[in-house]
Amino acid sequence: AQSVTQLGSHVSVSEGALVLLRCNYSSSVPPYLFWYVQYPNQGLQLLLKYTSAATLVKGINGFEAEFKKSETSFHLTKPSAHMSDAAEYFCAVTPGVSSYKLIFGSGTRLLVRP
Amino acid sequence: KAGVTQTPRYLIKTRGQQVTLSCSPISGHRSVSWYQQTPGQGLQFLFEYFSETQRNKGNFPGRFSGRQFSNSRSEMNVSTLELGDSALYLCASSQGIGPNTDTQYFGPGTRLTVL
Repeated sequence: AQSVTQLGSHVSVSEGALVLLRCNYSSSVPPYLFWYVQYPNQGLQLLLKYTSAATLVKGINGFEAEFKKSETSFHLTKPSAHMSDAAEYFCAVTPGVSSYKLIFGSGTRLLVRP
Repeated sequence: KAGVTQTPRYLIKTRGQQVTLSCSPISGHRSVSWYQQTPGQGLQFLFEYFSETQRNKGNFPGRFSGRQFSNSRSEMNVSTLELGDSALYLCASSQGIGPNTDTQYFGPGTRLTVL
């Protein structure tokens, strides 16, 4: 069965500092991996997705993630945090090309200190 | 192009009642998925529909049901509501059935409170 683990329910960084949100997955088949962001009282917005085309995936708002099969990881990074990045971030996995049955991690709340 | 629309945005019901939530996908999208989000269980998959056919179903009791209409609009129904059904219900739509060449877009959700 597939699963996703997000390490750290809360991450706090200073404005301008590196953002690193961790995601590890478990999958018996090549996975499709996603990062979503959720602002208060809103739905989910796709930041980026990995579909095996390239291991380093660039997304919106300056975020990127690297797929590392040997480490079963898909960590999200941003070189310089902005106050507007404060939100909850979810990593998700789906088993393959023909399904959007997403399995989500428990989420990481990013706090950005001025 | 308008985004995914969910109605109503907020809903209050009492235990034992039933509720119907509606989702209108982005124009041209034929796939709709539903998710339940709660503080305790997080985001959990409910259903996935494509062209009026249910393709996948999550691990929820039979009180949860859904359907998709010929115009791709979808509804989900929860009967005999329980306190634990209080949640944010999210709908998402996409053109096709998978992420390889497609992107799924989420609506703002319906906040259901069961008293």
